Amino acid sequence: DVKVTQSSRYLVKRTGEKVFLECVQDMDHENMFWYRQDPGLGLRLIYFSYDVKMKEKGDIPEGYSVSREKKERFSLILESASTNQTSMYLCASSLGHGYRQPQHFGDGTRLSIL
Amino acid sequence: EDKVVQSPLSLVVHEGDTVTLNCSYEVTNFRSLLWYKQEKKAPTFLFMLTSSGIEKKSGRLSSILDKKELFSILNITATQTGDSAIYLCAVEEIYNQGGKLIFGQGTELSVKP
Repeated sequence: DVKVTQSSRYLVKRTGEKVFLECVQDMDHENMFWYRQDPGLGLRLIYFSYDVKMKEKGDIPEGYSVSREKKERFSLILESASTNQTSMYLCASSLGHGYRQPQHFGDGTRLSIL
Repeated sequence: EDKVVQSPLSLVVHEGDTVTLNCSYEVTNFRSLLWYKQEKKAPTFLFMLTSSGIEKKSGRLSSILDKKELFSILNITATQTGDSAIYLCAVEEIYNQGGKLIFGQGTELSVKP
């Protein structure tokens, strides 16, 4: 079974802090993704990566950055947290190009910015 | 602009009822359509559909895709309280070296005893 692990289920931070959300997958997947989920808006793609040290902007990258130094780990960074970044953050992974396989999700991190 | 629209946004039924959830899309470089179920935690994968008219089935759940009319339906027969969840529809768009998902808003299903 694919396992996508997010480091925290709940996190509370203050405005202006630098926040790191970590995601690790154990299936040697090439692709990794970060989403945020808000009521009425569904899941929106923030950043994704098709390989180590590669990153691509999703639909809502402003205020975020990512790091992928190792294949199994994909980090989301909030450079200077703001209250409008309070949300549920979901990480996902999938096999690489050419494989018609679904994305598998972690349990999510519910982040509150005070 | 590419988009995925689900309806209804919420639904309340009683155990034993049959429900149909709808998903329509406008996506330029379509690769596949996926359904996920989300309870309290991670969305869990239900179906991936790539061809029109071929029904995918798993127990009481089934789904079909119409690529001409650009929609999919998810059917749940003989609903149970354990079916209560948010059902997410996503379209995979071909993008550079792979694909990326565009999600609908989700349908929140509540099954009452």
